[in-house]
Amino acid sequence: GAVVSQHPSRVICKSGTSVKIECRSLDFQATTMFWYRQFPKQSLMLMATSNEGSKATYEQGVEKDKFLINHASLTLSTLTVTSAHPEDSSFYICSARDIPGLAGRRTDTQYFGPGTRLTVL
Amino acid sequence: GIQVEQSPPDLILQEGANSTLRCNFSDSVNNLQWFHQNPWGQLINLFYIPSGTKQNGRLSATTVATERYSLLYISSSQTTDSGVYFCAVERRNNDMRFGAGTRLTVKP
Repeated sequence: GAVVSQHPSRVICKSGTSVKIECRSLDFQATTMFWYRQFPKQSLMLMATSNEGSKATYEQGVEKDKFLINHASLTLSTLTVTSAHPEDSSFYICSARDIPGLAGRRTDTQYFGPGTRLTVL
Repeated sequence: GIQVEQSPPDLILQEGANSTLRCNFSDSVNNLQWFHQNPWGQLINLFYIPSGTKQNGRLSATTVATERYSLLYISSSQTTDSGVYFCAVERRNNDMRFGAGTRLTVKP
């Protein structure tokens, strides 16, 4: 249980185009999902917190108009990198937290997706 | 914000050896998780351990919340244990902060 998927796993795009990445919780509902960014040989940095039915909360220094987040349902959040540039090339990872109180779940655990490797040419 | 420090940054072991990875954090937390990131980038949950001790096979973890550190023990290491181990903490919900990680290489 507690599986999170991401699609696509890898994408290569031209500079100036937009790329959408999907994050899905497959076997649980997630009111909160998170988006992280990881550069090579570095740690994960939280970009934004995505709440179902409301606007995302962005970390300091993350451009909300550049990285559009939509949490349309309890199992799906999307990250759109708009007008991508080579410096946006990175490994993007999402995670999801299950709904507190659900029987059998540890309520504070974040479950991570497999990541999406974005390369902007 | 909260600071998370992991040590050592790099560790090379011979297969079969034991090791201890450390995570220090600068403030009280209500969530601490250990992850293993495999060579393909997948983060695998190892432990949710804001306090106390847990064991899972060859791995165990201990968090001493009052002293603001956590330890991950790997016994009888195998080559498949190679990868990066991250400690991550949260002071309140929705602000998980990761340490820089420990890169483990287990040689046959």
